[in-house]
Amino acid sequence: DVKVTQSSRYLVKRTGEKVFLECVQDMDHENMFWYRQDPGLGLRLIYFSYDVKMKEKGDIPEGYSVSREKKERFSLILESASTNQTSMYLCASGRLAREQYFGPGTRLTVT
Amino acid sequence: AQSVTQPDIHITVSEGASLELRCNYSYGATPYLFWYVQSPGQGLQLLLKYFSGDTLVQGIKGFEAEFKRSQSSFNLRKPSVHWSDAAEYFCAVAPQGTTDSWGKLQFGAGTQVVVTP
Repeated sequence: DVKVTQSSRYLVKRTGEKVFLECVQDMDHENMFWYRQDPGLGLRLIYFSYDVKMKEKGDIPEGYSVSREKKERFSLILESASTNQTSMYLCASGRLAREQYFGPGTRLTVT
Repeated sequence: AQSVTQPDIHITVSEGASLELRCNYSYGATPYLFWYVQSPGQGLQLLLKYFSGDTLVQGIKGFEAEFKRSQSSFNLRKPSVHWSDAAEYFCAVAPQGTTDSWGKLQFGAGTQVVVTP
């Protein structure tokens, strides 16, 4: 079975803190994705990566950055967390858009 | 503009009854089509997908979906729901063929399904 793990299920941070969300996949997928999920808005793509050290902006990249130093790991970084970044963050990996496997999500609260 | 619409935010269904969830899309050409399910506290799981061919697609957990080009729809159905089907369901699309867009699944807003005894 494909396994996508995220470092935390729940996270509480203060405004202005630098936040790291980690995602690891064990299927040697080239492609990895970060989404945020908000009620009534579905999932929105923040960033994706199609290879090590390669990244592309998604639909809502503002306020976020990413890092992919190893194939299996894709990190989402909030440089200075704000309350409007309180959300559920979902990581996915897969081969193209056809096979995205999702992690369990990290529910981030910024106070 | 390209869009994915799930008209029903919330559906309540009795256990054993049938379920149909609607999904409509607006794209220049027929996209790849997907249905995902998210159980409480979980990530998303792929139920089924349509790329081409037979317009009736079978998925996991007893779900099926029908692609109707004329209606730009991809509705999800299950003949008899179980309490474990209570979850949020997302329709998603991805454009076919364009290499600069392959990574971008576009999701609908989701439909919350509640199953009553």
